[in-house]
Amino acid sequence: ENVLTQSPAIMSASPGEKVTMTCRASSSVSSSYLHWYQQKSGASPKLWIYSTSNLASGVPARFSGSGSGTSYSLTISSVEAEDAATYYCQQYSGYPYTFGGGTKLEIK
Amino acid sequence: QVQLKQSGPGLVQPSQSLSITCTVSGFSLTSYGVHWVRQSPGKGLEWLGVIWRGGSTDYNAAFMSRLSITKDNSKSQVFFKMNSLQADDTAIYYCAKNLGNLYYAMDYWGQGTSVTVSS
Repeated sequence: ENVLTQSPAIMSASPGEKVTMTCRASSSVSSSYLHWYQQKSGASPKLWIYSTSNLASGVPARFSGSGSGTSYSLTISSVEAEDAATYYCQQYSGYPYTFGGGTKLEIK
Repeated sequence: QVQLKQSGPGLVQPSQSLSITCTVSGFSLTSYGVHWVRQSPGKGLEWLGVIWRGGSTDYNAAFMSRLSITKDNSKSQVFFKMNSLQADDTAIYYCAKNLGNLYYAMDYWGQGTSVTVSS
């Protein structure tokens, strides 16, 4: 099983600040199969970024994704209050699909 | 628009089975697969299995012996059944649409079914 480790577990940022969160895999993942989800409290996860760097429909352009191999990241260029949520990475490199433990983003 | 609506019980007795129906609209089950994922505070998000558009299934090996996913294309329904539930199966269970061929991601999710395993 390919274990995904996200860091930090919790982060706090002020509006307008640039933030980056990381996702590290125990084994290499094709960039085509590394995805990110946003989940707000009490809601279902939403696909946010797919295949490392492609924004899902409706996702603001201040979000971006990058990475390769075992190291991936999600960056918000200028954080807004509505970005407060938990972000999860997910991979497929054979079964089972796995998810990271999440990074909770708090807005100051 | 794409929707996945789940129906199922909220309380299951230990050792009993859980059955959830996921009724989809806005897309065809003959064109897209449907995944099942659960979420609990202790274990986070866990992928359970998928039924593909052709009807074949893939399961997380950790659950394979007690998990079954089937579907009825004509009714746009996917059926999830897990046997022998225990307390640590308490979680929110989601169905989710596969993004598309060669992506292995989930682009639309159901509202979730909160399941408590307790006597």
